[in-house]
Amino acid sequence: NAGVTQTPKFQVLKTGQSMTLQCAQDMNHNSMYWYRQDPGMGLRLIYYSASEGTTDKGEVPNGYNVSRLNKREFSLRLESAAPSQTSVYFCAIISLAAHSYNEQFFGPGTRLTVL
Amino acid sequence: QKEVEQNSGPLSVPEGAIASLNCTYSDRVSQSFFWYRQYSGKSPELIMSIYSNGDKEDGRFTAQLNKASQYVSLLIRDSQPSDSATYLCAVVYNQGGKLIFGQGTELSVKP
Repeated sequence: NAGVTQTPKFQVLKTGQSMTLQCAQDMNHNSMYWYRQDPGMGLRLIYYSASEGTTDKGEVPNGYNVSRLNKREFSLRLESAAPSQTSVYFCAIISLAAHSYNEQFFGPGTRLTVL
Repeated sequence: QKEVEQNSGPLSVPEGAIASLNCTYSDRVSQSFFWYRQYSGKSPELIMSIYSNGDKEDGRFTAQLNKASQYVSLLIRDSQPSDSATYLCAVVYNQGGKLIFGQGTELSVKP
C-alpha cells in the first residue's frame, strides 16, 4: 500500500448518517479511483478522477459523491448511508499507459458497516 | 451481461500443476488488460498486464489475449500453495480511464 493512505480503516454508521472517506497519495499521480468490494462481486468502480479537477462516474455511483480536492487527495462522501453501502472501499492510483502500467497501488481499504 | 466475466470458482489445483484462469469482456474496442492477485483481507496487487494479441510471460505467469474472441487468460505454472488467492481480471473500457474488474476467481493450490 505504499503511497496511498485511506482513513478511516473501519467505520460503523447508522442508516441515514453521512461520512467522508479520505484518500491521499504521495506519488504525484494523475489518476485516482474509488472502488467497493462485496463478497463474490469483485471490485466495482464508483467514481474516478483522471486528473485534478475532473471526476467521472463508474459502474455504481448512486448514493456517492466525490471531490478531487487537489492532486494528492480524492474523497468519497456518503450523504445518507444505507445498509446496501456496507462494503470494503478501496482507493487506488492506477496508470493505464503501457509505458507506466506498473504504477498501480491500492490503499489498505476502509471497512464500512451501515446498520 | 456484466462487462467483465470470470468464473468465480473456487478453482482447486495440486501443487506443481498449471492453473488456468479465464476472463471474457464485452467491449470490442478495449486495448488494455490487467491481472491482479488479492490475498484474503488484503488489497489487490497488479501481477500482469497485456496489450497485444498473443502471450506475455513473466516468470511462472503467462497472460494470453485474444481480442477477436474477447478473451484473456492467466496461466500459472508450477503452482505453489502461496499462489492461493483470488485473481481479478480488469479491462479498460471505452479507451478512457474506466478500469472495470471481473468478480474474481478464487484459486486454491493444495500441497
